[in-house]
Amino acid sequence: DGGITQSPKYLFRKEGQNVTLSCEQNLNHDAMYWYRQDPGQGLRLIYYSQIVNDFQKGDIAEGYSVSREKKESFPLTVTSAQKNPTAFYLCAASSRGETQYFGPGTRLLVL
Amino acid sequence: GESVGLHLPTLSVQEGDNSIINCAYSNSASDYFIWYKQESGKGPQFIIDIRSNMDKRQGQRVTVLLNKTVKHLSLQIAATQPGDSAVYFCAEILSGTYKYIFGTGTRLKVLA
Repeated sequence: DGGITQSPKYLFRKEGQNVTLSCEQNLNHDAMYWYRQDPGQGLRLIYYSQIVNDFQKGDIAEGYSVSREKKESFPLTVTSAQKNPTAFYLCAASSRGETQYFGPGTRLLVL
Repeated sequence: GESVGLHLPTLSVQEGDNSIINCAYSNSASDYFIWYKQESGKGPQFIIDIRSNMDKRQGQRVTVLLNKTVKHLSLQIAATQPGDSAVYFCAEILSGTYKYIFGTGTRLKVLA
């Protein structure tokens, strides 16, 4: 998985609960990304960060939040405002305009 | 394991045959292209890439062809093996930016 770790592998969320997905990279890449993947669909960008302490919304940012306090870390919080959070979440990292490397993913399920 | 892409187009090939997976990209300004392989329940893995100044690039058992005229990318896998069964998708990138566009993917099934 190219030096990108995601945890946990499976995460269960109760209704009204916020949950945080972890993503860490040791590739020294400036940019990090969060994608959502649903069955039968491609990757949809949630948020990305080009540099520490800065991040931009992707195509489906509503109901999600992120932080980038360290270059190596880009956690994603799925808030209670996200009404359909069940999906496979992928974190990626890259240098600008270069190959994106992906983590192993986190499967989020709603109880 | 979990199934990624239950309704994706599927290509079924006999073990030992060659596979060709196609991708139409959207932005004529994109100048860098990547093929990824995603096995069920796992993150995508880099297979091979190509820049727009090339029209063909070969790796180990894989070849990528780029036709900029019709904005088409293909991945050829030689002597397809059971371990090649996965979802394959392409990505297009505009160099120097953070803009990546991913295709939906094609499921490759290898028949024994």
